[in-house]
Parts: sequence; structure tokens; C-alpha cells
Amino acid sequence: QKEVEQNSGPLSVPEGAIASLNCTYSDRGSQSFFWYRQYSGKSPELIMFIYSNGDKEDGRFTAQLNKASQYVSLLIRDSQPSDSATYLCAVNKDYGQNFVFGPGTRLSVLP
Amino acid sequence: DAGVTQSPTHLIKTRGQQVTLRCSPKSGHDTVSWYQQALGQGPQFIFQYYEEEERQRGNFPDRFSGHQFPNYSSELNVNALLLGDSALYLCASSLKAGNEKLFFGSGTQLSVL
Repeated sequence: QKEVEQNSGPLSVPEGAIASLNCTYSDRGSQSFFWYRQYSGKSPELIMFIYSNGDKEDGRFTAQLNKASQYVSLLIRDSQPSDSATYLCAVNKDYGQNFVFGPGTRLSVLP
Repeated sequence: DAGVTQSPTHLIKTRGQQVTLRCSPKSGHDTVSWYQQALGQGPQFIFQYYEEEERQRGNFPDRFSGHQFPNYSSELNVNALLLGDSALYLCASSLKAGNEKLFFGSGTQLSVL
């Protein structure tokens, strides 16, 4: 079992819709959870992080964490074509910088 | 405010050779981490440097080594290159060790022939 799993996609949603990206992790002791966006040929960019169970909202983005189910999700409301990118889920097990990244989900927002 | 800068942007080497990649952290940052990203995969943690010492290391062989200089810049060295070392090498900096907000550079694309 891989440590962090994501559907590779592509996930296609129409402009203005809600995009839902999912991530599961295997280490129950994981402490913090991050979502990075990576445009093709570019470096990852941090967009959200969450430490506690529940929802965390930042603009059009909402991160959701359920530690009992070992599940993290990212919702993007009012999706725009500029949101088309690969979204990487990253899990930090020990508050250091040894992040375990998932393979990423490619999102395509269709105009 | 300069972000994380890496050099070179692209590099082509042959099997068995050695390579050195360079990274300058974002202004004000003192911690540097290196990641390897194979095509279609997420980044994999190689190691982290803080106060000129390797603080954490991922599951990479000793062929991968690094260094951090007093100005916080860093180098990644890979010896005895293998075809499987072909990847995008990303440098990430943060304000201090343990700060989890990473800022990534644009990477060095290494091709081993």
C-alpha cells in the first residue's frame, strides 16, 4: 500500500462547478496535511494546509480532514480554467520536512 | 523579493558521471530541502539542511549527498549516475527547520543517458 494515494485523473469539471479532489494516507500518526498546485512544467505551490479534523476555508478553496478515515480532500468552488493543474496531496508525519507526496490528480476545468 | 532559485535549469549527463545542482533559498529562509520528482509522480524527499547540517534524510542511497553554505545556499551532489536518476530535482526553502510551509524553486531537469 502506498503511503499517500490520489486518483491520477484527469478530473474534468465545467467552469463554475465544484471540483472535489481526494487523498488517502496510510500512516495513522500523520500530523499535518497539505495541498500543492503544480502547473505543467512548473514547481509546486502551496495552496492549503490543515492540521485538525473538519473543514478549513480559504477563498474558493476548502480543505477537509477526517483522521479517523485517514482521508483529506480539497474542494474548489467556482472552478476556473486557470485552476487546471495537477494537485498534490502531501502528508507530514513528524513536523519535520519529510513530506510524503501523493502522485497528484490532474484537474481540467473546461470553459 | 527573490524566490528560490536553482541552477542549472536543464542538465544532460551520462551513466556513471557525477552532477552538482545548486539552490539559493528565498530571502530570509535558512532551511533547504531537496526533492526528486519523476515524471508523473509526486516529489520524493531526499534530505533537509539546516545550520549547515543534514537534519533529515529520505530513502535515498549514499550516492546522494549535499551541503549547505553559511549563506544558506545549498548543493545536491549525485555520484555514479544511473538512468533512473533522470528526474526533476526540486529545492524547497522554509523560514526555519520545522516550519512546514515550503517554497519550491523551478527545479533542475536532469537527464541521464
